Amino acid sequence: DSGVTQTPKHLITATGQRVTLRCSPRSGDLSVYWYQQSLDQGLQFLIQYYNGEERAKGNILERFSAQQFPDLHSELNLSSLELGDSALYFCASSSAGTPMQYFGPGTRLTVT
Amino acid sequence: AQTVTQSQPEMSVQEAETVTLSCTYDTSESDYYLFWYKQPPSRQMILVIRQEAYKQQNATENRFSVNFQKAAKSFSLKISDSQLGDAAMYFCCCRNFGNEKLTFGTGTRLTIIP
Repeated sequence: DSGVTQTPKHLITATGQRVTLRCSPRSGDLSVYWYQQSLDQGLQFLIQYYNGEERAKGNILERFSAQQFPDLHSELNLSSLELGDSALYFCASSSAGTPMQYFGPGTRLTVT
Repeated sequence: AQTVTQSQPEMSVQEAETVTLSCTYDTSESDYYLFWYKQPPSRQMILVIRQEAYKQQNATENRFSVNFQKAAKSFSLKISDSQLGDAAMYFCCCRNFGNEKLTFGTGTRLTIIP
C-alpha cells in the first residue's frame, strides 16, 4: 500500500458525460501528479500540482482539468467524454526534495 | 524531450533463475533520475528501484539491481532468484532534475515459469 488513495476504483459512463476522479496523496506530500494509461498511448503524464498550484502540464486535453484543494487532495475532471478516454487514470504523490513518486491504485474509466 | 525505449515486449524466465530487462533512453539533460516500476495484475504501480544519473555506482535493492551505462544511455534491470511474485509488467522511466514528470517506456511483460 503506497498510502495514496483514489476513488472510485471503477467508473462506467456514456459518451458526452462528465466525471470527477479523486485522489488523496500520502500524508505530508505536497505534489500530486496525474497519469493516464491506455492501450494505444501507454503511460502518459497529464498534469502536476504542488501545494495547490499547477506546476507542470503534459498531454492533457482541453476537455480535462484538475485542481488541488487546501487539504491537498486533488480532483481530475473529464468532460465531453469520448470512447478513446477509456483508460486507467493514476494519481501519484511525492514529498519535497525526493525524486520518487508513489502511485495510487488507479481509477479504471470505461466510456460506452 | 525525453524518450524511453524498452525493446523487449515480453520475457520469460524459469523460477529461481536470473533475468535482465533492457531499457535505453534519450535525454538532452545531464542530471536526471531513472526508475523501474512494476505493475502486477492488480494494476498497482510499484516502485522497484531508482538510480541518480550522477552516481556511478549501480543501485541495488535486494534481488533487484541495475546496470547503468550513462554514455550508452542504457539502464537495464536484473532480477536474481526470480520468484512467481515477480510476474508483472515492468516499466522503465526517466525524469529530469528540473522537470518532475515521468516519461515511461512501453513496458516488458515478465512471465515466471514454475
